Amino acid sequence: QVQLVESGGGVVQPGGSLRLSCAISGFTFSSYVIHWIRQAPGKGLEWVAVASYDGTEKHYADSVKGRFTISRDTSSSTLYLQMTSLRPEDTAVYYCARERNTDAAFDFWGQGTMVTISS
Amino acid sequence: SYELTQPPSVSVSPGQTARITCSGDALPQQYTYWYQQKPGQAPKLVIYQDTERSSGIPERFSGSSSGTTVTLTISGVQAEDEADYYCQSTNSSGRLWVFGGGTKLTVL
Repeated sequence: QVQLVESGGGVVQPGGSLRLSCAISGFTFSSYVIHWIRQAPGKGLEWVAVASYDGTEKHYADSVKGRFTISRDTSSSTLYLQMTSLRPEDTAVYYCARERNTDAAFDFWGQGTMVTISS
Repeated sequence: SYELTQPPSVSVSPGQTARITCSGDALPQQYTYWYQQKPGQAPKLVIYQDTERSSGIPERFSGSSSGTTVTLTISGVQAEDEADYYCQSTNSSGRLWVFGGGTKLTVL
C-alpha cells in the first residue's frame, strides 16, 4: 500500500541545520510530485516546498526561500528537505504528502516528523 | 502572496447541517480541496476538484463553489465529524500551493 514515512526531526538550536527525509513505498516515486507541508503546534497547515518529478523545478514558500532546499533521490525513492538558518518559528510537525497526478490535491500523507528550534 | 480565508470555528448540534466557507481571489480559476484533520492525525482528503468526494468519504460530505467562495457542507453532522477542516488551492499561476487557516468544527 502507499506509504510515506518522514524521519530526521529533532531539537536544534536557532541558526542550526537539519535534514528531513521522506521515504516512499507502494507507488512509483518518479511518477508523482511530493510536497513538504508543516504545522506549527496548535496552528494550521502551511505549504513549504515542492520538487518536480525529476527534481529540476522547485518552488518554495516565501517563509523558507533561501534557507530550505528540497531534493529527490529516485534511486532510493526518498524526498529530502535540507533546512538551514533555522528559526524558532520553523518549529512544527513536517509532513510529506503526495500530489495526485490529475489535480493539485494531496491524496496521501505521512505521519509527520517534529522539528523543534530552541536554545 | 495568496491567501484563503476560512471562519475559525463552526458549531452545530448532531443531525444539523454544517457549512464551512473558504474565500480566495483565484478560486474561480483554480480547484479547491478540503481536508479533515483529527487530533494527532495527518490530514485526510475529503473533497477534491471543488465538489467530488474522495474515496471512502460518507455521502453527507459535499462541496460547492460560487465565484470566489467555496463551501464544504456536512449534512446530518455526527459526533465523529468533529475535527479541523482546511481548504487548499493554488494561486492563479498554479505554482503556489496554499491552505486556508482552518475551521474547527464542534459538534455540540
